[in-house]
Amino acid sequence: QITLKESGPTLVKPTQTLTLTCTFSGFSLSTSGVAVGWIRQPPGKALEWLALIYWDDDQRYSPSLKTRLTITKDTSKNQVVLTMTNMDPMDTATYYCAHRNSSWAFFDYWGQGPLVTVSS
Amino acid sequence: DIQMTQSPSSVSASVGDRVTITCRASQGISSWLGWYQQKPGKAPKLLIYAASSLQSGVPSRFSGSGSGTDFTLTISSLQPEDFATYYCQQANSFPYTFGQGTKLEIK
Repeated sequence: QITLKESGPTLVKPTQTLTLTCTFSGFSLSTSGVAVGWIRQPPGKALEWLALIYWDDDQRYSPSLKTRLTITKDTSKNQVVLTMTNMDPMDTATYYCAHRNSSWAFFDYWGQGPLVTVSS
Repeated sequence: DIQMTQSPSSVSASVGDRVTITCRASQGISSWLGWYQQKPGKAPKLLIYAASSLQSGVPSRFSGSGSGTDFTLTISSLQPEDFATYYCQQANSFPYTFGQGTKLEIK
């Protein structure tokens, strides 16, 4: 059974750096083909893909946010970490981590997603 | 980036109705299209992958079709639990992109 859970601050100040941790179980990020991604959703708005990390440490980023994002993994802890620098009120959103299906590249398991508010 | 455009943005329907939602990609994506259902306060749930393959555990009243740039999600007979927002997503190339969503409401 695959599960994912995000953890991190629910309130950050403008210009601060956000660090979110995705802790998962039921799969290994050292298995060929496996990947974990981050997707966010501002209140009342659509989903936006942010970043993805593969089992081999290949990383992909949204071009519009690439300069602000870093995704890393700790295979021994079954964790993926997303950092986003220079947070702005426009970054207020629910942040989800999700398991990407190895064969078909879609997100088949999702975390519950904490709402992160950016406010002074 | 590949733009994904869904229509309609919202639709009202009754239990038992047949509903179709469309998704158009700004360039060809073969069959790299998925559909998700999202209920308020919950994470999205994958319904359809590879344009027409039903995710395990998803009721057979959901179906998907299309390839290239035009895709549809059909719910053959609406059930009360189907009222939600639906999103399409392309996985043909990075950056992955989602449609703006279609809200399915009770008439």
